[in-house]
Amino acid sequence: GAVVSQHPSRVICKSGTSVKIECRSLDFQATTMFWYRQFPKQSLMLMATSNEGSKATYEQGVEKDKFLINHASLTLSTLTVTSAHPEDSSFYICSARDKAVQFFGPGTRLTVL
Amino acid sequence: SQQGEEDPQALSIQEGENATMNCSYKTSINNLQWYRQNSGRGLVHLILIRSNEREKHSGRLRVTLDTSKKSSSLLITASRAADTASYFCATDSGSARQLTFGSGTQLTVLP
Repeated sequence: GAVVSQHPSRVICKSGTSVKIECRSLDFQATTMFWYRQFPKQSLMLMATSNEGSKATYEQGVEKDKFLINHASLTLSTLTVTSAHPEDSSFYICSARDKAVQFFGPGTRLTVL
Repeated sequence: SQQGEEDPQALSIQEGENATMNCSYKTSINNLQWYRQNSGRGLVHLILIRSNEREKHSGRLRVTLDTSKKSSSLLITASRAADTASYFCATDSGSARQLTFGSGTQLTVLP
């Protein structure tokens, strides 16, 4: 199947700093990518849909100024958690569609101290 | 919010036994997909079943779909300890083609 990478896999930062997470589709082009958040022992919650060349679509309750999404190319979407706080600590996962199937990145564990 | 509910939430079986997980959803769908997630890792796509299909097989996996009941099941036959993971169903139903995930089943296969 198609491969999606994420970087970094793990990040620890101080409260108030911003963190950027990259999501890349390695062997296919993706006009649409998705960003999810997952709390321990829970399912994935869709945060936003990232559209190449246009603004992201955010789910209800997700602050667009807090979670900045940029999808500048057909193979790269970035999620920036701005002014991170401890409650932003979570597992962030991206995905990209290749035909009907969504392929997921390995996830990024964010810990905000 | 999550569309799907899965049951059981947790399932523990002996190696060699079959494992069955069920998923229910609320709206009409284009397709339903099953994913597997090992602890702290990303999701691995297992199988996709379209809304006009009733059953699909892939290796030791068998998926059924009943659109009249808005439910699906995943059967893993002859389970192995390496099958231990969380399993999620996900429905594709909107024009945005985003997935909505079920609550997941934690499967533990004991050696």
